[in-house]
Amino acid sequence: SQTIHQWPATLVQPVGSPLSLECTVEGTSNPNLYWYRQAAGRGLQLLFYSVGIGQISSEVPQNLSASRPQDRQFILSSKKLLLSDSGFYLCAWSSRWGYTFGSGTRLTVV
Amino acid sequence: EDQVTQSPEALRLQEGESSSLNCSYTVSGLRGLFWYRQDPGKGPEFLFTLYSAGEEKEKERLKATLTKKESFLHITAPKPEDSATYLCAVHSVTNAGNNRKLIWGLGTSLGVNP
Repeated sequence: SQTIHQWPATLVQPVGSPLSLECTVEGTSNPNLYWYRQAAGRGLQLLFYSVGIGQISSEVPQNLSASRPQDRQFILSSKKLLLSDSGFYLCAWSSRWGYTFGSGTRLTVV
Repeated sequence: EDQVTQSPEALRLQEGESSSLNCSYTVSGLRGLFWYRQDPGKGPEFLFTLYSAGEEKEKERLKATLTKKESFLHITAPKPEDSATYLCAVHSVTNAGNNRKLIWGLGTSLGVNP
């Protein structure tokens, strides 16, 4: 069966510090992968998606970047965090039946 | 422009009091409508996929239906453990390529009192 792992679960980082969130998928090959941010009252905002290794599409200009170094690994990064980067970050992969989400990372930038 | 609207924003029910959540959509061509449940601090959990008007799917106390303009999530005799935010999303012809992007509603926060 397919599983998706996302870590860490919570993170508190100072403004200006770097960020690296990792997501890995098991039990499937060449998945479409997604990074979402969820803020209260604003729903799920798609940040990046990837249809293959090294293929990244950005949906929203921002302080973040994404990379896919391996087929089943998706990384969300920032060189310098802003206060506005705080939020709940979700990784997901898709099949024709829908999306499967990771457990999320609560990021607080202080 | 593709759009998904969920109503109500919040709903509080007594245990056993049945009700329905609404998801109305405006898309260029529906490829699939998805319902998810999300508990606080967790990722959304898949419930149903509906593809064509008239289709219905059931799981325990939940039943999802689909028309050409909206979907309903019917909750029969809810229990406190059904309390969660319910999210609706659509996959449209606009995003029918390889990216499989979804358009998301803002969700309905459901609380069920014991």
